[in-house]
Amino acid sequence: AQKITQTQPGMFVQEKEAVTLDCTYDTSDPSYGLFWYKQPSSGEMIFLIYQGSYDQQNATEGRYSLNFQKARKSANLVISASQLGDSAMYFCAMREGGGGATNKLIFGTGTLLAVQP
Amino acid sequence: DTGVSQNPRHKITKRGQNVTFRCDPISEHNRLYWYRQTLGQGPEFLTYFQNEAQLEKSRLLSDRFSAERPKGSFSTLEIQRTEQGDSAMYLCASSPGGSNQPQHFGDGTRLSIL
Repeated sequence: AQKITQTQPGMFVQEKEAVTLDCTYDTSDPSYGLFWYKQPSSGEMIFLIYQGSYDQQNATEGRYSLNFQKARKSANLVISASQLGDSAMYFCAMREGGGGATNKLIFGTGTLLAVQP
Repeated sequence: DTGVSQNPRHKITKRGQNVTFRCDPISEHNRLYWYRQTLGQGPEFLTYFQNEAQLEKSRLLSDRFSAERPKGSFSTLEIQRTEQGDSAMYLCASSPGGSNQPQHFGDGTRLSIL
């Protein structure tokens, strides 16, 4: 069964430092996508970054990059130069299947990141 | 792009009452999803629409739950005979076609059952 595992319930990071949030996944489908979302205390889910299973290069979006290790089934999020506004819950999610699939997302339990000044 | 809009933001009701939530997706998005999120957990998939067709329902969606998207635009999620366990945040998301397109979420409706 498809599953997302986030083993870090909470993390602290000093402002301006980099932090890595871990995510491992389990699927038997060769075609899948991995997403990271940020959920601040206000509740909205904000899309950060996407990695497709066939993408050759690791995805990057500004200060966010995804360390995709397909053989290990891991898709860790790296946030560089942390800012106070990065304090939030971070969710890793997986979409199984190609274009004809539902595209529903399966989420992990999240990692609460606290950025300290 | 005005974003996904959900109403109401909060709903408090007594056990046994019916409630209805509304979701207005991003206008050009043909796919619409409902998720439920309980405290300390990630969102869980409930149901999916492509245009007006409801193509998938989770086993979490008991017969007390019904969702519609009558004209392929806005969607409603109704819960009948609410129970304590229905207390959660109900999130709506939309996306265009394409497997690599991210889902864009609304702010959610927080349901509290007294």
